[in-house]
Amino acid sequence: GQSLEQPSEVTAVEGAIVQINCTYQTSGFYGLSWYQQHDGGAPTFLSYNGLDGLEETGRFSSFLSRSDSYGYLLLQELQMKDSASYFCAPGGDDKIIFGKGTRLHILP
Amino acid sequence: KAGVTQTPRYLIKTRGQQVTLSCSPISGHRSVSWYQQTPGQGLQFLFEYFSETQRNKGNFPGRFSGRQFSNSRSEMNVSTLELGDSALYLCASSLDLRVLDQPQHFGDGTRLSIL
Repeated sequence: GQSLEQPSEVTAVEGAIVQINCTYQTSGFYGLSWYQQHDGGAPTFLSYNGLDGLEETGRFSSFLSRSDSYGYLLLQELQMKDSASYFCAPGGDDKIIFGKGTRLHILP
Repeated sequence: KAGVTQTPRYLIKTRGQQVTLSCSPISGHRSVSWYQQTPGQGLQFLFEYFSETQRNKGNFPGRFSGRQFSNSRSEMNVSTLELGDSALYLCASSLDLRVLDQPQHFGDGTRLSIL
């Protein structure tokens, strides 16, 4: 079967670091993507991990452990504009699975 | 380069009616996927089209259908609308199938409200 778990909400302070975890189960897994969606906006691609390890893109980093079916998104130097929903999206069996996402609240 | 275009942006229908939503992908993109987004269920995969063929389908009833044209434009149809079909319908395009490192580009969606 397929399953996807990430926290529904996370709160952090501006300037801090926050980690959003994702555990998944999907057959034919081949990689994990992360998307950001602001209220009223369309999801936008943040990062992709096809291999184990850390991928860094500016203030954002994403990690994947295939053996643990686990990944996380790390956001550093948080800014108010980072307030959004974040979706991890494992790809498997020729389709990408999204879920309910994690709502990130940034406090000033 | 123009982004993914979805029309209409907003739509109001009544129960029992049918609706057709349109999606024009980014030029050169051959894969089009459709998603339903609701507050309770999040972002749920509907189906994916590539080269005018449905390649994958999510767990939605047969009332939900789609097609893709030779120019990669896609339409989604929902028949016999139910109140629970009220949602944001998002279309996403990508260059190819099974290429996660080539991101999906989403349109702004069609907000469908069923009265």
